[in-house]
Amino acid sequence: EVQVLESGGGLVQPGGSLRLSCAASGFRFSSYAMNWVRQAPGKGLEWVSGIRGSGVGTYYADSVRGRFTISRDNAKNTLYLQMNSLRAEDTAVYYCAKGHTDYAWMFFDYWGQGTLVTVSS
Amino acid sequence: EIVLTQSPGTLSLSPGERATLSCRASQSISSFLAWYQQKPGQAPRLLMYGVSSRATGIPDRFSGSGSGTDFTLTISRLEPEDFAVYYCQQYGTSPLTFGGGTKVEIK
Repeated sequence: EVQVLESGGGLVQPGGSLRLSCAASGFRFSSYAMNWVRQAPGKGLEWVSGIRGSGVGTYYADSVRGRFTISRDNAKNTLYLQMNSLRAEDTAVYYCAKGHTDYAWMFFDYWGQGTLVTVSS
Repeated sequence: EIVLTQSPGTLSLSPGERATLSCRASQSISSFLAWYQQKPGQAPRLLMYGVSSRATGIPDRFSGSGSGTDFTLTISRLEPEDFAVYYCQQYGTSPLTFGGGTKVEIK
């Protein structure tokens, strides 16, 4: 059974940093692109970042490029999102989502339950 | 960036009725369109991809159609568990984008 489980969310002050993790199981992790998608309170879905299975290709939304860094450890079946220079508008539930293939531009066939990031003083 | 516009914002229907949800893209995305269902407090769930292919375990009362810029998700007969928010997503072009969602609520 495919499972993805996020962790690392919490309350952080504006300008601060946070690292999210996503532990995956039930599939060959290194063969699939992985992504982060966020949802601000009461709002819709926004793709944040993606990474190909090998970790070589990384992709970002304009809203986070230069502040967030996506990475993965295929030996640990874990995806990460390092978030720096956080802003109030980054407040959201962050979902880890498995791509259907290794291709970067893809739909998401499995999602975690999400981890809440709150940026506030 | 491709903008996806979903309509209506809210659809008020009764169980057993037919639901028709629309998703319009600001430019052609061929058939690179997916649909997701999200219930309160839950993660989104993949329903459809490639416009009309159902994801694993999705009942056949869900169907998708369209191409280019205009797409439709149809639920032939609403079951109580179908009342939720539905999002379309395009994956033909970077960046990946989602529509704003259509809420299907009980009338």
